[in-house]
Amino acid sequence: AQSVTQLDSHVSVSEGTPVLLRCNYSSSYSPSLFWYVQHPNKGLQLLLKYTSAATLVKGINGFEAEFKKSETSFHLTKPSAHMSDAAEYFCVVRRAGSYQLTFGKGTKLSVIP
Amino acid sequence: NAGVTQTPKFRVLKTGQSMTLLCAQDMNHEYMYWYRQDPGMGLRLIHYSVGEGTTAKGEVPDGYNVSRLKKQNFLLGLESAAPSQTSVYFCASSSSWTGISYEQYFGPGTRLTVT
Repeated sequence: AQSVTQLDSHVSVSEGTPVLLRCNYSSSYSPSLFWYVQHPNKGLQLLLKYTSAATLVKGINGFEAEFKKSETSFHLTKPSAHMSDAAEYFCVVRRAGSYQLTFGKGTKLSVIP
Repeated sequence: NAGVTQTPKFRVLKTGQSMTLLCAQDMNHEYMYWYRQDPGMGLRLIHYSVGEGTTAKGEVPDGYNVSRLKKQNFLLGLESAAPSQTSVYFCASSSSWTGISYEQYFGPGTRLTVT
């Protein structure tokens, strides 16, 4: 079975400062990992995904994430936060060969002007 | 392409009433899913379908039924709504290929309130 732990339920940063959203996973097999973003009252949008190619994955809007197998982590980062980044972010794991996703509980990102 | 669409966007029900949520996708995807989203819980899988005429239970199936009569549509039914079913419901679809390009595509959600 796989599981995802998002280590912070709420992160608050000032505009222009770095963003770090932390995610740890457990999976019996080589996983695929995703980050989705949900803006207020909107659906889910895929930010980026790791699928066993490069361990550093670049996504949309300047976000990136690094897959660290030894630490079972897939943290999401951005060098400089923008007001439009305020949203909820979900870390998601999929076991190799499976079509089912397991979601973390989400991290709400607030950006202070 | 519209992608994944959901009808309705909002709904208020009284306890005991029934309703059906409709999900439609135009990407010719084999697999479709229904999730519910509750504060602090992430998304949890209710039911899913791996093809026309087939459905299966997910993590939280109680109180819901589903049907997949056409490949492009996936219906979620509440026979007797309860306040615990107040939630935001998301539909998603994916191809049957589970290789590295696998991705689920999500609809905009339906906000349901049961009073």
